[in-house]
Amino acid sequence: NAGVTQTPKFQVLKTGQSMTLQCAQDMNHEYMSWYRQDPGMGLRLIHYSVGAGITDQGEVPNGYNVSRSTTEDFPLRLLSAAPSQTSVYFCASRIHVGGTEAFFGQGTRLTVV
Amino acid sequence: QQPVQSPQAVILREGEDAVINCSSSKALYSVHWYRQKHGEAPVFLMILLKGGEQKGHDKISASFNEKKQQSSLYLTASQLSYSGTYFCGTVGGATNKLIFGTGTLLAVQP
Repeated sequence: NAGVTQTPKFQVLKTGQSMTLQCAQDMNHEYMSWYRQDPGMGLRLIHYSVGAGITDQGEVPNGYNVSRSTTEDFPLRLLSAAPSQTSVYFCASRIHVGGTEAFFGQGTRLTVV
Repeated sequence: QQPVQSPQAVILREGEDAVINCSSSKALYSVHWYRQKHGEAPVFLMILLKGGEQKGHDKISASFNEKKQQSSLYLTASQLSYSGTYFCGTVGGATNKLIFGTGTLLAVQP
């Protein structure tokens, strides 16, 4: 099993550009989420989804869009990149109950200049 | 709202013990613990469920006080491989959102 796959691993954007971070999982998990990790801030929840067609905001959703058209894929879109969005982004998936572990992708390191 | 972890950092010698604490202001269904090595993704260690069920790791233990919304992770006889940043994550409420704390940096020295 591949688990959770994120692409790309590294990306440099110019301010104002848009891009999509890809996330795919092959474990048939209902619950998928995006986190950003910044020094001293831990992992902060951006958006999450409890199943195909259902998404909701996390703690820091501004500047990001998501959609969930299939169980497997959960892309994260940056609409107009800003230097404050420089971060490491992790996608995670789990079965849709609170008592199961989350599986993480390997992360995308994004730099906005 | 992020759970609060303490301490923020701890340095140990091999063989010493450590306790990492996690506290939430919300009623919790479960508490997760993960360890992250530098440049890598977080890796699951343990889940503690409301009602006392615990799933996780052989060499690491934890407790969950449901009334106080607090959890503690116990690392005994630490090894060099224990070094990393430890995160607690909490799940509560109808949305099942997994919210992480700010992390505890653990360094184990020879």
